[in-house]
Amino acid sequence: AQKITQTQPGMFVQEKEAVTLDCTYDTSDPSYGLFWYKQPSSGEMIFLIYQGSYDQQNATEGRYSLNFQKARKSANLVISASQLGDSAMYFCAMREGAFSGGYNKLIFGAGTRLAVHP
Amino acid sequence: DAGVIQSPRHEVTEMGQEVTLRCKPISGHNSLFWYRQTMMRGLELLIYFNNNVPIDDSGMPEDRFSAKMPNASFSTLKIQPSEPRDSAVYFCASSLIEGYQPQHFGDGTRLSIL
Repeated sequence: AQKITQTQPGMFVQEKEAVTLDCTYDTSDPSYGLFWYKQPSSGEMIFLIYQGSYDQQNATEGRYSLNFQKARKSANLVISASQLGDSAMYFCAMREGAFSGGYNKLIFGAGTRLAVHP
Repeated sequence: DAGVIQSPRHEVTEMGQEVTLRCKPISGHNSLFWYRQTMMRGLELLIYFNNNVPIDDSGMPEDRFSAKMPNASFSTLKIQPSEPRDSAVYFCASSLIEGYQPQHFGDGTRLSIL
Protein backbone atom coordinates (compact mmCIF):
# COMPACT_ATOMS: atom_id res chain seq x y z
CA ALA A 1 0.00 0.00 0.00
CA GLN A 2 1.13 3.52 -0.73
CA LYS A 3 2.36 5.29 2.36
CA ILE A 4 1.92 8.75 0.88
CA THR A 5 -0.79 9.48 -1.68
CA GLN A 6 -1.13 12.67 -3.65
CA THR A 7 -4.22 12.21 -5.79
CA GLN A 8 -3.91 15.38 -7.87
CA PRO A 9 -1.30 15.01 -10.61
CA GLY A 10 -1.96 18.58 -11.68
CA MET A 11 -3.77 21.63 -10.36
CA PHE A 12 -4.22 25.15 -11.56
CA VAL A 13 -5.22 28.27 -9.69
CA GLN A 14 -5.78 31.90 -10.51
CA GLU A 15 -3.23 34.33 -9.15
CA LYS A 16 -4.15 35.73 -5.71
CA GLU A 17 -6.53 32.88 -4.97
CA ALA A 18 -5.96 30.13 -2.40
CA VAL A 19 -5.29 26.54 -3.37
CA THR A 20 -5.25 23.26 -1.46
CA LEU A 21 -2.98 20.39 -2.41
CA ASP A 22 -4.07 17.04 -1.04
CA CYS A 23 -1.95 14.50 0.80
CA THR A 24 -3.04 11.37 2.62
CA TYR A 25 -0.72 9.06 4.48
CA ASP A 26 -0.74 5.60 5.93
CA THR A 27 1.09 4.61 9.07
CA SER A 28 0.39 2.71 12.25
CA ASP A 29 3.16 4.52 14.08
CA PRO A 30 1.77 6.97 16.67
CA SER A 31 4.77 9.24 16.15
CA TYR A 32 5.53 10.65 12.73
CA GLY A 33 6.35 13.85 10.91
CA LEU A 34 4.89 15.25 7.73
CA PHE A 35 6.74 17.55 5.35
CA TRP A 36 6.02 19.50 2.21
CA TYR A 37 8.60 20.37 -0.41
CA LYS A 38 8.46 22.59 -3.49
CA GLN A 39 10.35 21.84 -6.68
CA PRO A 40 10.26 24.71 -9.20
CA SER A 41 11.18 24.19 -12.84
CA SER A 42 14.79 25.06 -12.00
CA GLY A 43 14.92 21.72 -10.18
CA GLU A 44 15.91 22.41 -6.59
CA MET A 45 13.95 20.87 -3.72
CA ILE A 46 12.84 23.47 -1.19
CA PHE A 47 11.51 22.58 2.26
CA LEU A 48 8.28 24.45 2.98
CA ILE A 49 6.57 23.28 6.15
CA TYR A 50 6.50 20.57 8.80
CA GLN A 51 3.74 19.06 10.96
CA GLY A 52 4.36 16.66 13.84
CA SER A 53 1.83 13.99 14.71
CA TYR A 54 1.55 15.28 18.27
CA ASP A 55 1.29 18.93 17.34
CA GLN A 56 -1.96 20.39 18.58
CA GLN A 57 -2.09 23.20 16.08
CA ASN A 58 -1.82 23.26 12.33
CA ALA A 59 1.58 24.40 11.10
CA THR A 60 1.89 27.71 9.31
CA GLU A 61 4.79 29.36 7.49
CA GLY A 62 3.94 32.62 5.83
CA ARG A 63 1.48 31.93 3.03
CA TYR A 64 1.74 28.18 3.61
CA SER A 65 -0.39 26.33 6.10
CA LEU A 66 -1.02 22.70 6.71
CA ASN A 67 -4.56 21.42 7.19
CA PHE A 68 -3.80 18.45 9.42
CA GLN A 69 -6.64 16.03 10.03
CA LYS A 70 -5.16 13.21 12.04
CA ALA A 71 -8.21 10.96 12.15
CA ARG A 72 -8.48 11.14 8.37
CA LYS A 73 -4.73 10.78 7.96
CA SER A 74 -4.55 13.80 5.74
CA ALA A 75 -2.07 16.67 5.66
CA ASN A 76 -3.17 19.07 2.95
CA LEU A 77 -1.05 22.04 2.00
CA VAL A 78 -2.88 25.34 1.68
CA ILE A 79 -1.25 28.17 -0.24
CA SER A 80 -2.98 31.49 0.28
CA ALA A 81 -2.85 34.38 -2.19
CA SER A 82 -1.14 32.39 -4.93
CA GLN A 83 1.67 34.03 -6.85
CA LEU A 84 3.10 33.21 -10.26
CA GLY A 85 6.25 32.03 -8.52
CA ASP A 86 4.27 29.31 -6.76
CA SER A 87 4.07 27.37 -10.03
CA ALA A 88 6.03 24.23 -9.25
CA MET A 89 5.85 20.58 -8.30
CA TYR A 90 4.87 19.99 -4.68
CA PHE A 91 5.79 16.86 -2.75
CA CYS A 92 4.34 15.56 0.49
CA ALA A 93 6.62 13.35 2.60
CA MET A 94 6.49 11.44 5.87
CA ARG A 95 9.01 10.24 8.40
CA GLU A 96 7.86 7.48 10.72
CA GLY A 97 8.96 7.14 14.31
CA ALA A 98 10.54 4.61 16.61
CA PHE A 99 7.61 2.22 16.36
CA SER A 100 8.51 1.72 12.69
CA GLY A 101 12.19 1.21 13.38
CA GLY A 102 13.30 4.73 14.06
CA TYR A 103 14.65 5.21 10.58
CA ASN A 104 14.92 8.84 9.67
CA LYS A 105 14.31 8.47 5.98
CA LEU A 106 11.47 10.28 4.26
CA ILE A 107 8.79 8.58 2.19
CA PHE A 108 7.71 10.86 -0.67
CA GLY A 109 4.48 11.06 -2.60
CA ALA A 110 4.38 11.28 -6.38
CA GLY A 111 3.83 15.02 -6.31
CA THR A 112 1.29 17.55 -7.58
CA ARG A 113 2.16 20.00 -10.33
CA LEU A 114 0.66 23.42 -9.60
CA ALA A 115 0.22 26.05 -12.29
CA VAL A 116 -0.67 29.59 -11.23
CA HIS A 117 -2.38 31.58 -13.97
CA PRO A 118 -2.32 35.39 -14.12
CA ASP B 1 24.94 29.54 5.92
CA ALA B 2 26.10 27.22 3.19
CA GLY B 3 23.58 24.66 2.09
CA VAL B 4 24.24 21.19 0.73
CA ILE B 5 26.80 21.44 -2.03
CA GLN B 6 26.83 19.00 -4.91
CA SER B 7 29.25 18.71 -7.78
CA PRO B 8 29.24 18.62 -10.66
CA ARG B 9 25.97 20.34 -11.55
CA HIS B 10 25.89 18.69 -14.93
CA GLU B 11 27.69 15.63 -16.25
CA VAL B 12 27.56 14.22 -19.73
CA THR B 13 29.56 11.09 -20.39
CA GLU B 14 29.60 8.05 -22.57
CA MET B 15 28.24 4.67 -21.68
CA GLY B 16 30.77 2.53 -19.84
CA GLN B 17 32.57 5.42 -18.19
CA GLU B 18 32.90 5.80 -14.45
CA VAL B 19 30.89 8.63 -12.93
CA THR B 20 31.52 10.12 -9.51
CA LEU B 21 29.07 12.49 -7.89
CA ARG B 22 30.12 14.47 -4.84
CA CYS B 23 28.26 15.95 -1.90
CA LYS B 24 29.16 18.17 1.02
CA PRO B 25 26.40 18.18 3.63
CA ILE B 26 25.44 21.09 5.83
CA SER B 27 27.94 21.46 8.64
CA GLY B 28 26.67 19.77 11.79
CA HIS B 29 24.22 17.52 10.03
CA ASN B 30 24.73 13.86 10.85
CA SER B 31 22.48 12.21 8.29
CA LEU B 32 23.04 12.16 4.53
CA PHE B 33 20.79 10.89 1.77
CA TRP B 34 21.27 10.17 -1.93
CA TYR B 35 18.22 10.31 -4.22
CA ARG B 36 17.61 9.80 -7.91
CA GLN B 37 14.79 11.54 -9.77
CA THR B 38 13.42 10.54 -13.17
CA MET B 39 10.17 11.24 -14.96
CA MET B 40 9.27 7.57 -14.97
CA ARG B 41 10.10 6.64 -11.39
CA GLY B 42 9.86 9.93 -9.55
CA LEU B 43 12.08 10.53 -6.53
CA GLU B 44 13.82 7.41 -5.25
CA LEU B 45 15.97 7.06 -2.14
CA LEU B 46 19.14 5.22 -3.10
CA ILE B 47 21.06 5.10 0.18
CA TYR B 48 21.44 7.01 3.40
CA PHE B 49 24.06 7.38 6.11
CA ASN B 50 23.78 8.19 9.80
CA ASN B 51 27.01 9.36 11.43
CA ASN B 52 28.88 8.29 8.27
CA VAL B 53 27.57 4.73 8.50
CA PRO B 54 25.34 3.35 5.71
CA ILE B 55 21.95 2.51 7.21
CA ASP B 56 19.82 1.51 4.25
CA ASP B 57 21.12 0.84 0.75
CA SER B 58 18.10 -1.11 -0.44
CA GLY B 59 17.41 1.54 -3.06
CA MET B 60 20.73 1.14 -4.82
CA PRO B 61 19.78 -0.26 -8.23
CA GLU B 62 22.61 -2.72 -8.68
CA ASP B 63 26.24 -3.40 -7.99
CA ARG B 64 27.30 -0.77 -10.47
CA PHE B 65 26.31 1.82 -7.87
CA SER B 66 28.35 2.45 -4.75
CA ALA B 67 28.38 5.20 -2.15
CA LYS B 68 30.85 6.20 0.50
CA MET B 69 31.00 8.68 3.31
CA PRO B 70 34.59 8.79 4.54
CA ASN B 71 33.92 11.67 6.92
CA ALA B 72 31.13 13.90 8.16
CA SER B 73 31.67 16.51 5.47
CA PHE B 74 31.93 14.49 2.29
CA SER B 75 30.15 11.74 0.41
CA THR B 76 30.43 10.24 -3.06
CA LEU B 77 28.09 8.26 -5.26
CA LYS B 78 29.87 6.28 -7.93
CA ILE B 79 28.48 4.52 -10.99
CA GLN B 80 30.80 2.09 -12.76
CA PRO B 81 30.21 1.28 -15.53
CA SER B 82 27.54 3.81 -16.40
CA GLU B 83 24.59 3.01 -18.68
CA PRO B 84 22.11 5.26 -20.52
CA ARG B 85 19.34 4.24 -18.11
CA ASP B 86 21.31 5.85 -15.30
CA SER B 87 20.52 9.25 -16.79
CA ALA B 88 18.66 11.21 -14.12
CA VAL B 89 18.98 14.01 -11.63
CA TYR B 90 20.81 12.88 -8.51
CA PHE B 91 20.17 14.75 -5.29
CA CYS B 92 22.05 14.73 -2.06
CA ALA B 93 20.29 15.84 1.12
CA SER B 94 21.31 16.19 4.73
CA SER B 95 19.58 16.57 8.06
CA LEU B 96 19.93 16.03 11.76
CA ILE B 97 19.01 12.55 12.95
CA GLU B 98 17.43 13.81 16.14
CA GLY B 99 13.83 14.87 16.11
CA TYR B 100 11.84 15.34 12.96
CA GLN B 101 14.20 17.67 11.22
CA PRO B 102 13.63 18.41 7.53
CA GLN B 103 16.07 17.22 4.95
CA HIS B 104 17.81 19.97 3.07
CA PHE B 105 18.61 19.22 -0.55
CA GLY B 106 21.47 20.20 -2.78
CA ASP B 107 20.78 21.59 -6.23
CA GLY B 108 21.29 18.18 -7.79
CA THR B 109 23.53 16.74 -10.47
CA ARG B 110 21.95 16.30 -13.88
CA LEU B 111 23.57 13.20 -15.33
CA SER B 112 23.32 12.22 -18.99
CA ILE B 113 24.83 8.96 -20.18
CA LEU B 114 25.12 8.78 -23.96
